[in-house]
Amino acid sequence: EAGVAQSPRYKIIEKRQSVAFWCNPISGHATLYWYQQILGQGPKLLIQFQNNGVVDDSQLPKDRFSAERLKGVDSTLKIQPAKLEDSAVYLCASSPRRLRGSNEQFFGPGTRLTVL
Amino acid sequence: AQKVTQAQTEISVVEKEDVTLDCVYETRDTTYYLFWYKQPPSGELVFLIRRNSFDEQNEISGRYSWNFQKSTSSFNFTITASQVVDSAVYFCALSEPGTGANNLFFGTGTRLTVIP
Repeated sequence: EAGVAQSPRYKIIEKRQSVAFWCNPISGHATLYWYQQILGQGPKLLIQFQNNGVVDDSQLPKDRFSAERLKGVDSTLKIQPAKLEDSAVYLCASSPRRLRGSNEQFFGPGTRLTVL
Repeated sequence: AQKVTQAQTEISVVEKEDVTLDCVYETRDTTYYLFWYKQPPSGELVFLIRRNSFDEQNEISGRYSWNFQKSTSSFNFTITASQVVDSAVYFCALSEPGTGANNLFFGTGTRLTVIP
């Protein structure tokens, strides 16, 4: 079974530029998550999708971050414009079904973003 | 308030030594789930274990064991006879179904270095 795919693996941009990350979850997984992991910290949830609907985006800085999962499969996370503090690893995860609080999440390799 | 506390930032052990990683959590829910993830240098988070709040039995899987104690709100992880391949950052995480989502709240992680 193929794991969660993410691209690109690395991205370097200057502040105020835009960037987009792509995630393809494990086939059949209804729930998709985006996390931000700043160096030395644990991952922090940005947004959770159930199929193509948003379940939780309370931690997403909506003035600059946006995410979509139009067909309920792959997803794109965008930052526009980027700030220095957005430098982090962006992790995508998926889980097979929404039994509340019980599912392990399967993580992709992440995209390491550096904002100069 | 920090929901998950991993007080040990870094631990170094010599190969074949046993090591215990501490995790203390905080929640008002009676139903919750605890997880441990491993993050090797490659960056991908690897699921190790899930435990629900109603099951306080300790669990052993090969060289890994987990001690869940509700009385002290702790979910500690022990590696027996450590190996160099165990070197990684280990995260403890909490999920609270009462939030209506399947979000994981991660601790700040413990970096384990096993010295050959």
